[in-house]
Amino acid sequence: DQQVKQNSPSLSVQEGRISILNCDYTNSMFDYFLWYKKYPAEGPTFLISISSIKDKNEDGRFTVFLNKSAKHLSLHIVPSQPGDSAVYFCAALFPAGYGGSQGNLIFGKGTKLSVKP
Amino acid sequence: EAGVAQSPRYKIIEKRQSVAFWCNPISGHATLYWYQQILGQGPKLLIQFQNNGVVDDSQLPKDRFSAERLKGVDSTLKIQPAKLEDSAVYLCASSPPGLASHEQFFGPGTRLTVL
Repeated sequence: DQQVKQNSPSLSVQEGRISILNCDYTNSMFDYFLWYKKYPAEGPTFLISISSIKDKNEDGRFTVFLNKSAKHLSLHIVPSQPGDSAVYFCAALFPAGYGGSQGNLIFGKGTKLSVKP
Repeated sequence: EAGVAQSPRYKIIEKRQSVAFWCNPISGHATLYWYQQILGQGPKLLIQFQNNGVVDDSQLPKDRFSAERLKGVDSTLKIQPAKLEDSAVYLCASSPPGLASHEQFFGPGTRLTVL
């Protein structure tokens, strides 16, 4: 059973507009959430993260929002650029010492973002 | 700063054959991870090392998969014998010590095709 879900396999956005990528999780014990970006034939690259004690984290054009009561997080990209076209993975971490390794990133299936010029 | 290195980038083998992948993490990163990414899925952790010790191998199919990190730096992941369902991208990642350890740095991966 998937603990981290990205229900939209793909998203298409016009250049300059906002891209919103969504992620839902089922386990309330997750204490850290990360977004990774992946280009074809490359490994995932860390983009932005958020601790479970926060509800927002911003880094330039990228903002992640966390709604713990809804077990939902989202990544906002404003403005979107053609170079943002990639697969975006949402991932979650358990706290240290909880049921296994603290480094075990639990990934969603990814959302493919296409930004059209 | 050099990134995580992996080789080979691509490998095609027949089922029941053996294969090995190599990973060199970022210098100074004590923690090393191997992930398996099947097409259309997110990466799934196979094994995690802290220096040369195994921290978590609960999802490693130990009847056919093995991994080692003898000197606490490079690591190899082996599959023997391979099955069709092992076709995937094998990603190596490393992370630095301390508070930033939640961020993992990934290599380009090795794409394995089992025929």
